[in-house]
Amino acid sequence: DVVLTQSPATLSVTPGERISLSCRASESVDTYLHWYQQKPNESPRLLIKYASQSISGIPSRFSGSGSGTDFTLSINGVELEDLSIYYCQQGNSLPYTFGAGTKLELK
Amino acid sequence: EVQLVESGGGLVKPGSSLKLSCVASGFTFSSYGMHWIRQAPKKGLEWIALIYYDSSNKYYADSVKGRFTISRDNSKNTLYLEMNSLRSEDTAMYYCAKWGTTTVWGQGVMVTVSS
Repeated sequence: DVVLTQSPATLSVTPGERISLSCRASESVDTYLHWYQQKPNESPRLLIKYASQSISGIPSRFSGSGSGTDFTLSINGVELEDLSIYYCQQGNSLPYTFGAGTKLELK
Repeated sequence: EVQLVESGGGLVKPGSSLKLSCVASGFTFSSYGMHWIRQAPKKGLEWIALIYYDSSNKYYADSVKGRFTISRDNSKNTLYLEMNSLRSEDTAMYYCAKWGTTTVWGQGVMVTVSS
């Protein structure tokens, strides 16, 4: 199974700053890597698909990059509404797997 | 509006069975593969099952293989998850989801396995 390792586990942020979240795969997943945001008591919301493709309705401050085993989700100008948990997920090979998540909290 | 609505969750005892349903609307259900994903309380997301658009192929996570069965009725726009031999570690929020050109998740349904 492909193991996705997200870092850091928790990130303390200040509104307005630019941040980067990492997701590293145990083997290549090409660009079949997707990013989700999940707020308490809500379903996950897709932010970025196929490593870097934007999603309609998602603010442009969210962007993704990477391929193979190393991926990054960037937020350019964090807002308070962005405080939540972020998961990466690979869709390259079964079983599909998720990372353990990165929690954004207020500094 | 594209929507998925799960139902059928509840509190059950270890060893018992439960069947979840997920009704789809707003898209051509019969054209898409569908997934079940679960999330234990305060834990991360776990993919557990996939069924192709025509039910020709089904795949499971090792954690549920042999105990859970995914199925669908395209005439009713409904996805199912039959869960047998339930264990305490199956306690989770269960989501159905459509992935692909557009991604949709349901609101989730809670399953609690406890004596």
